[in-house]
Amino acid sequence: KAGVTQTPRYLIKTRGQQVTLSCSPISGHRSVSWYQQTPGQGLQFLFEYFSETQRNKGNFPGRFSGRQFSNSRSEMNVSTLELGDSALYLCASSSNTGTGRLSGNSPLHFGNGTRLTVT
Amino acid sequence: ILNVEQSPQSLHVQEGDSTNFTCSFPSSNFYALHWYRWETAKSPEALFVMTLNGDEKKKGRISATLNTKEGYSYLYIKGSQPEDSATYLCASLTAGNMLTFGGGTRLMVKP
Repeated sequence: KAGVTQTPRYLIKTRGQQVTLSCSPISGHRSVSWYQQTPGQGLQFLFEYFSETQRNKGNFPGRFSGRQFSNSRSEMNVSTLELGDSALYLCASSSNTGTGRLSGNSPLHFGNGTRLTVT
Repeated sequence: ILNVEQSPQSLHVQEGDSTNFTCSFPSSNFYALHWYRWETAKSPEALFVMTLNGDEKKKGRISATLNTKEGYSYLYIKGSQPEDSATYLCASLTAGNMLTFGGGTRLMVKP
């Protein structure tokens, strides 16, 4: 079974530009979540999609958005890039289908991430 | 602000040593506790998912325990090997359906 695939692996953008990152989950997984990792901050939850619907959103500004397609592939978009958006962006899929306690038993399967550098 | 805390932040041990580290999380509205291993240049890999107070899970030389009443989990590695060198992350799932990660414990095992 193929793992979670993220593209591109590396990206360099300048301030003010926008960027789109892509994530293909493990076949059969309908839940896709996104995380941002910056030095000293740990993994910060961005949002989670299930069956094309955003189920949860973390504490990030509206410049960060995402979507999920009918084949469960997901994209994340960051508009008006700032220097502080430089980070590793990880996508994860899971076989989670429920919410709340029902979603707790499913581990996340992570992709290799996209390293975004904003100059 | 991380309300999932891991300690220590980093740890150096000799090959063959046994070690353990701690994950503290809010005990209210608890749903599940996840442990992941993140090796350099790889993606995080799930180790355990625990949901019940008193849960104990084991995978080879690695085991974990869970205390949901007091809000902590321990990860143990018996007879550490150089290939165990990685960052170990815990994450708490609470009401709101969001996984909150701790800052991780970076383990380095010297041969």
